[in-house]
Amino acid sequence: EVQLVASGGGLVQPGGSLRLTCAASGFTFTTYTMTWVRQAPGKGLEWVSAISASGGKTFYADSVKGRFTISRDNSKNTVFLQMNSLSAEDTAVYYCAKDFSTYTYGRGWDQWGQGILVTVSS
Amino acid sequence: QSALTQPASVSGSPGQSITISCTGTSSDVGGYDYVSWYQHHPGKAPRLMIYDVSHRPSGVSNRFSGSRSGSTASLTISGLQAEDEADYYCSSYTSSSTLVFGGGTKLAVL
Repeated sequence: EVQLVASGGGLVQPGGSLRLTCAASGFTFTTYTMTWVRQAPGKGLEWVSAISASGGKTFYADSVKGRFTISRDNSKNTVFLQMNSLSAEDTAVYYCAKDFSTYTYGRGWDQWGQGILVTVSS
Repeated sequence: QSALTQPASVSGSPGQSITISCTGTSSDVGGYDYVSWYQHHPGKAPRLMIYDVSHRPSGVSNRFSGSRSGSTASLTISGLQAEDEADYYCSSYTSSSTLVFGGGTKLAVL
């Protein structure tokens, strides 16, 4: 059974940093692009960032470029999202998701984590 | 990276068919075959319903179908059922090598 378990969320002050972790199991992690998607309260889904299967390519939404860094540890089946210079606009539920086909990017995500809440507030 | 345009809400009666549109540009929906659709019940993880414009993943009912005309993609749900009531989002690959979602459509089954 595929599982994506996110951790690391919580309350952080404006300007602060947080690191999200997504632990994957039940599939060959090293062959899939991994993605972070977020949903702010009362808003729609927003694509945040993605990382290729090898980790050699990373992609970011304009809204987080320069502040967020995505990475992965293929030896531990884990993907990370380092979030710096956080503002209230980053308050959201963050989902990690797996591309549905191997070695592709952008075709769609067939498995999603449970979502983890990040709240940026003083 | 402007969001794709979806109607805020649609509704239908059980057994009817509805269509949700997703309008982009030639730099996203109209230019690439990587258009996907998601069903999202509040508090749960989104579910992939359509990929590559019109393909259904295994396990998704054939009541769900996708299509595209120019820069507008569409999701059609036939034989509406109560459990179809949810938020629906389209997504597309873009010329900037990023992904973009639509604003979401709330489907009410009356």
